Amino acid sequence: DRQMTQSPSSLSASVGDRVIIKCRASESVSTYVNWYQQQPGKAPKLLINAASTLQTGVPSRFSGSGSGTDFSLTISSLQPEDFAIYYCQQSYSNPYSFGQGTKLDIK
Amino acid sequence: EVQLVESGGGLVQPGGSLRLTCAASGFTFSSYWMSWVRQAPGKGLEWVANIRQDGSEKFFVESVEGRFTISRENAKSSLYLQMNRLRVEDTAVYYCARDLGGSGDYGMDVWGQGITVTVSS
Repeated sequence: DRQMTQSPSSLSASVGDRVIIKCRASESVSTYVNWYQQQPGKAPKLLINAASTLQTGVPSRFSGSGSGTDFSLTISSLQPEDFAIYYCQQSYSNPYSFGQGTKLDIK
Repeated sequence: EVQLVESGGGLVQPGGSLRLTCAASGFTFSSYWMSWVRQAPGKGLEWVANIRQDGSEKFFVESVEGRFTISRENAKSSLYLQMNRLRVEDTAVYYCARDLGGSGDYGMDVWGQGITVTVSS
């Protein structure tokens, strides 16, 4: 089974900062990586799929990149509503696994 | 409105069984792979299982293999998760989700609100 490892596990940043969250797969997953945002007490929200495709309605300050085993989610200018937990997920092969999450909070 | 609504959660003793239901509306249910994802208290997301549009393919995370069954009734736009031989470590919020892509491999774009399952004596 493929494992997904995110870094960092937590991150403190300020409004307006640029942040990058990384995700590494234990084996190649091509570009079958998806990124989710989860607010406290809410269901996850799909932000990006296929490594770099922004979902409808997601602000353009979010972007994704990568292929093979190394991926990243970039938020170009943090907004107050972006403080949340972010998860990567591989959908290359079953079982589809998630990373352990990156908690982004206000500095 | 595209919507998924879970039901059937609750408190159950270790070794017991529970059946979760996910009612879909606002889209053509039979056209999508569907998944269950869970989240233990204070922990991250764990993908549990998924099922092909016609029910002919099913996959499970190793920790539930042989104990959980996933099924669907397209005529009722419903997804199910039968959970048997439940363990304390199965305690979690369970989400059903819609899989994007014909093979269900482009992420989960619609999620239910989640249902709590507590396994405790």
